[in-house]
Amino acid sequence: DAKTTQPPSMDCAEGRAANLPCNHSTISGNEYVYWYRQIHSQGPQYIIHGLKNNETNEMASLIITEDRKSSTLILPHATLRDTAVYYCIVRVVSNAGNMLTFGGGTRLMVKP
Amino acid sequence: GAGVSQSPRYKVAKRGQDVALRCDPISGHVSLFWYQQALGQGPEFLTYFQNEAQLDKSGLPSDRFFAERPEGSVSTLKIQRTQQEDSAVYLCASSLDRERKLFFGSGTQLSVL
Repeated sequence: DAKTTQPPSMDCAEGRAANLPCNHSTISGNEYVYWYRQIHSQGPQYIIHGLKNNETNEMASLIITEDRKSSTLILPHATLRDTAVYYCIVRVVSNAGNMLTFGGGTRLMVKP
Repeated sequence: GAGVSQSPRYKVAKRGQDVALRCDPISGHVSLFWYQQALGQGPEFLTYFQNEAQLDKSGLPSDRFFAERPEGSVSTLKIQRTQQEDSAVYLCASSLDRERKLFFGSGTQLSVL
């Protein structure tokens, strides 16, 4: 699976949009971009995923550049409960299972 | 609740002791994964089951680590002769099939003294 690069930490003011970048310049055509987050003392939680089109759900929006070499996760109105480590993962869906390879992630701190 | 359940939540073991960590996946989920997470790091893959078959165990760090899922539901991760470097949070995840999103439990925090 392709490697991802994320900033180690970011701050965001409560109520503002949080924009978390991810670089995946070696992504292949059949690799999806997944985002998970991990709140302290909990297991990772699925947020969203996409292949090449932008995606939106009740939690967040995912913007993938046209060349697919980078993406941005957007939390439109961050709350204190969104403070967590956010992981960007790229992976192929294959017969080998859907093993996720986590990197270091971005530690997002939402401040009042 | 209907989520992935792991027990115990915390485990303290003396070096050399054997431990067994349990995972109850979401009912009907075919795929089950174990991950190890060291302090301050992202989770690292250990092993993968599809039903009762262990299809990938490439992430198990040594032959002291053993996982099973005999009836395709509950899984147990066993660590023999624990060492201090085994101290970590052990996460279990399940999914409906190999293409779906993973649901994680809260993990078992293992401390080896």
